Amino acid sequence: SYVLTQPPSVSVAPGQTARITCGGNNIGSKSVHWYQQKPGQAPVLVVYDDSDRPSGIPERFSGSNSGNTATLTISRVEAGDEADYYCQVWDSSSDQMVFGGGTKLTVL
Amino acid sequence: EVQLVESGGGLVQPGRSLRLSCAASGFTFDDYAMHWVRQAPGKGLEWVSGISWNSGSIGYADSVKGRFTISRDNAKNSLYLQMNSLRAEDTALYYCAKVFDPRVSAFDIWGQGTMVTVSS
Repeated sequence: SYVLTQPPSVSVAPGQTARITCGGNNIGSKSVHWYQQKPGQAPVLVVYDDSDRPSGIPERFSGSNSGNTATLTISRVEAGDEADYYCQVWDSSSDQMVFGGGTKLTVL
Repeated sequence: EVQLVESGGGLVQPGRSLRLSCAASGFTFDDYAMHWVRQAPGKGLEWVSGISWNSGSIGYADSVKGRFTISRDNAKNSLYLQMNSLRAEDTALYYCAKVFDPRVSAFDIWGQGTMVTVSS
């Protein structure tokens, strides 16, 4: 089955840029979606189809996808961005949705 | 307001069954595929199962295949998950989730989840 690999943690100072990666075999050929989950809350979609943002999501959140790595970029990081972030794809070969293991973003 | 409300969770012994429900409101339910996603305590998200708008296409994670059955009743705006032969490793918060768009495999609306605990 298809595997998505994320770093367990990323730390960044307020105002800086955070980059969270999601690795997968030829992931550039798939559509990648990203979710933010804060403690005790349901996940929230922040980026879909590699780089599109749902309404209400700040422009500070952006995404890219090429080769074997997709990246969620959060610019001008704020304390409120501290959360777990998950990438997700649909694997057509198995007809299954797949989530990455998640990355805990810490704002220093 | 677009909303998903799960119910049916609880404490169940290993080997027993449980049926989860998800009530949808605020959108045209039968236009969208729906999914179940679970999260074990302190762990990440795990996709469980999904069903197309007309129940014509259904998929399961390998970990639940043959034990869980997803279904929907469009007349009642409801999604279900029948869970049989439950194991300790099925203990998790179970979310139902709506796909963003028929062409987009992302989940834009999530419920608050219903907790399932499998223990003797």
